[in-house]
Amino acid sequence: TQLLEQSPQFLSIQEGENLTVYCNSSSVFSSLQWYRQEPGEGPVLLVTVVTGGEVKKLKRLTFQFGDARKDSSLHITAAQPGDTGLYLCAGAGSMTTDSWGKLQFGAGTQVVVTP
Amino acid sequence: NAGVTQTPKFRVLKTGQSMTLLCAQDMNHEYMYWYRQDPGMGLRLIHYSVGEGTTAKGEVPDGYNVSRLKKQNFLLGLESAAPSQTSVYFCASSYEGWGSDIQYFGAGTRLSVL
Repeated sequence: TQLLEQSPQFLSIQEGENLTVYCNSSSVFSSLQWYRQEPGEGPVLLVTVVTGGEVKKLKRLTFQFGDARKDSSLHITAAQPGDTGLYLCAGAGSMTTDSWGKLQFGAGTQVVVTP
Repeated sequence: NAGVTQTPKFRVLKTGQSMTLLCAQDMNHEYMYWYRQDPGMGLRLIHYSVGEGTTAKGEVPDGYNVSRLKKQNFLLGLESAAPSQTSVYFCASSYEGWGSDIQYFGAGTRLSVL
């Protein structure tokens, strides 16, 4: 099993501040996805990163995949209350492991943005 | 535009009772999955299906059974519920399967086993 560790577990910030969430593993992933989950709802995909070192931007959200494809980060600039939610990273197994293609989810980071 | 629909949304069971959770998708996806989400543990795969009539075990399959008789439906059964099965259950579907493909999730079923 390829473990994904997310940090921090909980983050509370004021509107307008910046934040970064981390997703780390000792294993290599073929791709990594970030989801956001709101209370009472299922996770919704934000982005998929595939190439080591890849950076993707989605409005105020910036996603980076580590060069070695073992870690990722999500940075939110000027956070807004609408960014509140549980952020989950999910890695797809590398071809060199028996977890090829299977998604492994991190435990999530709960982000609360207050006005 | 329904996407993935799960029923019921909430359920309370007594230990030893059985129940079936229904997942329906209207996107003509081949792949469907059942996950459970517990505090501090993220989403864990219970069973999955790569097409009509097929099922396979995921990470935590014990105590659960599944069936995929129709392409659009994926059923999760608990034959004899245990308190350890108290959780939020999510169904998901995808077009091309694992890896970088998008998984679309339902809104979840919150199950309590007393």
